[in-house]
Amino acid sequence: DTAVSQTPKYLVTQMGNDKSIKCEQNLGHDTMYWYKQDSKKFLKIMFSYNNKELIINETVPNRFSPKSPDKAHLNLHINSLELGDSAVYFCASSQMTRLLFFGPGTRLTVL
Amino acid sequence: EDKVVQSPLSLVVHEGDTVTLNCSYEVTNFRSLLWYKQEKKAPTFLFMLTSSGIEKKSGRLSSILDKKELSSILNITATQTGDSAIYLCAVGDAGNNRKLIWGLGTSLGVNP
Repeated sequence: DTAVSQTPKYLVTQMGNDKSIKCEQNLGHDTMYWYKQDSKKFLKIMFSYNNKELIINETVPNRFSPKSPDKAHLNLHINSLELGDSAVYFCASSQMTRLLFFGPGTRLTVL
Repeated sequence: EDKVVQSPLSLVVHEGDTVTLNCSYEVTNFRSLLWYKQEKKAPTFLFMLTSSGIEKKSGRLSSILDKKELSSILNITATQTGDSAIYLCAVGDAGNNRKLIWGLGTSLGVNP
């Protein structure tokens, strides 16, 4: 059984398009995250939701908008995609211990 | 500003060697330190350390936290080519925002 799943795994799109990445966790965790990993492999947190409430909102362009319909889902919508948005986006979840379980990642390529 | 620094940034060894990776931190309200291994896909959890001086061990990997020195080491003995990966260190703060502060990682290459 997949603990944290993301779709799609690969996303290739043109500049200016709008796209969404979906994330689901079946671990019963109360907190979910979106991370961006650039070409240098640095993991940078973007957002975190705890029980559907936004608790971490790092400095990211407002073209990025997270949506959490329930505790098990955290989706990421990106408007007006730019070349610099190309990266691997990881969804993760955790419970109280802050031990993160990562999804498989979505490799976004903006042409 | 809270930060986590890992060293070395990159390392190449031969199979059978022993390696020690370092993670030092400056975090206002330390709660825990975590080690992850990342190969081609998502980071996978290795260890979580909360208490100083207690070694955690899993096979050929072990890790220990030194709260006095604000650091942790990850040891890998008898390295194998499958150990080639990026090893990430992250520190959790004691606040309620569940934020982890990540290091840049150590890229380990193990040659046969």
